[in-house]
This record gives sequence, structure tokens and C-alpha cells, in this order.
Amino acid sequence: QQQVKQSPQSLIVQKGGISIINCAYENTAFDYFPWYQQFPGKGPALLIAIRPDVSEKKEGRFTISFNKSAKQFSLHIMDSQPGDSATYFCAASIGETSGSRLTFGEGTQLTVNP
Amino acid sequence: NAGVTQTPKFQVLKTGQSMTLQCAQDMNHEYMSWYRQDPGMGLRLIHYSVGAGITDQGEVPNGYNVSRSTTEDFPLRLLSAAPSQTSVYFCASSYLMGPTEKLFFGSGTQLSVL
Repeated sequence: QQQVKQSPQSLIVQKGGISIINCAYENTAFDYFPWYQQFPGKGPALLIAIRPDVSEKKEGRFTISFNKSAKQFSLHIMDSQPGDSATYFCAASIGETSGSRLTFGEGTQLTVNP
Repeated sequence: NAGVTQTPKFQVLKTGQSMTLQCAQDMNHEYMSWYRQDPGMGLRLIHYSVGAGITDQGEVPNGYNVSRSTTEDFPLRLLSAAPSQTSVYFCASSYLMGPTEKLFFGSGTQLSVL
């Protein structure tokens, strides 16, 4: 049972465009929602994260939008660059004592064309 | 600062063989975990540990064993390899509690079971 569902599976964007990746979760106990970025041949690395007490978090060109009532959150990449081409994973976990027992989405392969 | 080190990077096994995937971290993290990554399925938690001598099962533990004798090391053992265990395996670690639950990933082990 996939508790965090991610879409789309793949995404192609032109340089300078906006990339949008969506995730939906089922467990209302989730209270930490990170996004991880993975380049080919590398392990995932934390990109940005949000807790449900805020509806939006922005770090540079990356923004997480969070809709608690809809149980959805999304990653927006503004002014997308070829260097952003990677696989992106959303994730969710419960409580600060969860020990990082994250549940990951299926992943989105983003390609930014020059 | 090495971070999370996984060995080997690549491995080919025959069905029924056993092997151990090694993982070591030098950040004094209490929490360590193993994930497998399969196309279209994201990262799935196999086993995790919240400290030396303490391990627990994740989402897909069957066919794998772990132990945690030291804070630094968390090996993953395949008892009798099966083709279904062909995957990319990632070890990850983090502090158990803190302001964020940032997981640090190794660079992965690509395993093929023939």
C-alpha cells in the first residue's frame, strides 16, 4: 500500500520554465514532508522540507506548497535549469521521534531541456 | 568527512548465493537504515536501527537480515539471493532527534541476481 503517491512519473520542461511535481498522502498523522533530489549514480539528498503548520516554504528557486485539508503537497521549481535534471522524491514521516522513518513517493524523473 | 560509505558499488550474484552489503557512517548518527530503489516504486524501507543493538523491520524485510553491533556500521545480509532482490540498495543515516529529520544517503550498491 503506497501511503505517498507522486505524480507525474516523468516530466520534461524547457529551460526557464516552471516544474511542478505533486504528492498526495493518506495518513493524517504525517507531520514532516521533505523532498529529496537524486542525480544519476548518487544517493538522494535533502532538497527542502515543510511541516504542516505552514502552507508554503521557499528556498531559492524551490517552493513547497502544502494543502493540509486536501492531504497534498507539491514542489515548484521556478526558472528550471538543465542542472535541475534529476529524480525527485517526496516523502512523509510521523513525529520528531520517528527516527527519520520516511515513507517515499514513487519518484519523478525531471528533464530540463536547454 | 566521508559521510555514509557503502561497499561494494556493484555486485552480481547467482540465485541462492549469500552476501553482505556494507554500510559505515562517521557522523555519530544514532539512526541507520537500508532502502531499496526499484523503478516506479520509489525507495522502500527494508530495515532500520535506532542505536547499537537495536534493529527493526521496515516495509520489505523478507529475505534480509541486519545487525548493529557498533554505532558506525550497519551491514545488510542477503541470506539466499533471489532475482526479485535485483535492485539498487541505499544505506542512510541521521540523528535520531533534532530540528529536522535529514537523512544522509550513501551512493548505493547496484545488485543483480541472476
